[in-house]
Amino acid sequence: EVQLVQSGAEVKKSGESLRISCKAYGYSFSSYWIGWVRQMPGKGLDWMGIIYPGDSDTRYSPSFQGQVTISADTSTGTAYLRWSSLKASDTAMYYCARISVSLAWLTGEWYFDFWGQGTLVTVSS
Amino acid sequence: EIVLTQSPATLSLSPGERATLSCWASQSISSYLAWYQERPGQAPRLLIYDASSRATGIPDRFSASGSGTDFTLTISRLEPEDFAVYYCQQYSSLSPLTFGGGTKVEIK
Repeated sequence: EVQLVQSGAEVKKSGESLRISCKAYGYSFSSYWIGWVRQMPGKGLDWMGIIYPGDSDTRYSPSFQGQVTISADTSTGTAYLRWSSLKASDTAMYYCARISVSLAWLTGEWYFDFWGQGTLVTVSS
Repeated sequence: EIVLTQSPATLSLSPGERATLSCWASQSISSYLAWYQERPGQAPRLLIYDASSRATGIPDRFSASGSGTDFTLTISRLEPEDFAVYYCQQYSSLSPLTFGGGTKVEIK
């Protein structure tokens, strides 16, 4: 059974660094793109970026390029989202999600079939 | 960037009624559209991909249609668990992937 299990809620201060994680179970982690989606309080979904763990090819939304770093560790089947200096505006729920089609780069089918439970990040100023 | 506009923002209906949700794209996205359901306190769930294909395990009361710029999600008879927020997402362009603002289906 495919599952994405995310790390727990975080409370941080502005300027601090943070890395949250998403551990994958039940499929070949290296073979599927995995992405991150932000949901600010009471708002909709914002795509942040995706990574192909097999070769670490990473694509970012222009809105998040340079603001976060997405990485993956194939030895542990875990994807990461990292901030070097948090801002209060980073307060949000963050979801990891798997791209459904392993050959999405070929078919263009960039939609998400399995989602993690979410990690709530709260940043105080 | 491809902008998705969902309408209405809120739909107030009773259980058993039919729900019709719309999603418009700012430019043609062919059939590269997915729909997701987000229940309170839960992660989004894939309902529909390729504009009209139901994802695994999705009941057949959910159907969807459209291509180009106009898309529709229909829930034929609302069950209590269907009251949620629904998002469309385009994947015609990875620069960037975009979601609509959502439609909340609430109990009347």
